[in-house]
Amino acid sequence: SQQGEEDPQALSIQEGENATMNCSYKTSINNLQWYRQNSGRGLVHLILIRSNEREKHSGRLRVTLDTSKKSSSLLITASRAADTASYFCATDGQNFVFGPGTRLSVLP
Amino acid sequence: GAVVSQHPSWVICKSGTSVKIECRSLDFQATTMFWYRQFPKQSLMLMATSNEGSKATYEQGVEKDKFLINHASLTLSTLTVTSAHPEDSSFYICSAVNPGTGAYEQYFGPGTRLTVT
Repeated sequence: SQQGEEDPQALSIQEGENATMNCSYKTSINNLQWYRQNSGRGLVHLILIRSNEREKHSGRLRVTLDTSKKSSSLLITASRAADTASYFCATDGQNFVFGPGTRLSVLP
Repeated sequence: GAVVSQHPSWVICKSGTSVKIECRSLDFQATTMFWYRQFPKQSLMLMATSNEGSKATYEQGVEKDKFLINHASLTLSTLTVTSAHPEDSSFYICSAVNPGTGAYEQYFGPGTRLTVT
């Protein structure tokens, strides 16, 4: 299994600010994914970045991948209260083991 | 820690048959369970939310008559793939939410690999 570990564990920002979350992993990967989970809801896939990609954008999301450092970052720009959720990373593999996630709170 | 099991771990079936996959929370009661599917080298995709004692909530694009979900008890949810076809071949993963922690922590099962021939 491939486990991602997110950092920080919790982040609180004001609406309109940018939020950056980091993820580290241990072994080589084919791709890395970021997910969001609202309280009491299932995980929702946000974005997938392949190992040969360094940066990927999707709306207000920007993901970077540094395979030499085995790390990825998720940037949410111009955050909104609706972005309040937990964010998880996971790498490809047969069994998913998610890290504790980053709990993001966006204050209005 | 909380443990979630799935059965079977892998299954091969013929096209047109139905397959049932079980998801059990072994040491806690889960009022909510989730079902995901994953294609090779792809992301985990949420299929449906299973609530004990009520109908499942399906994500957009998931056929509820194709993927029957039953959450009959606080420790068991089942996913039945009806009239399976080769395109249903995938890795199916369930997760269970432990409400006792108050933080909606989600625990994942080991997954079931379905191959439809």
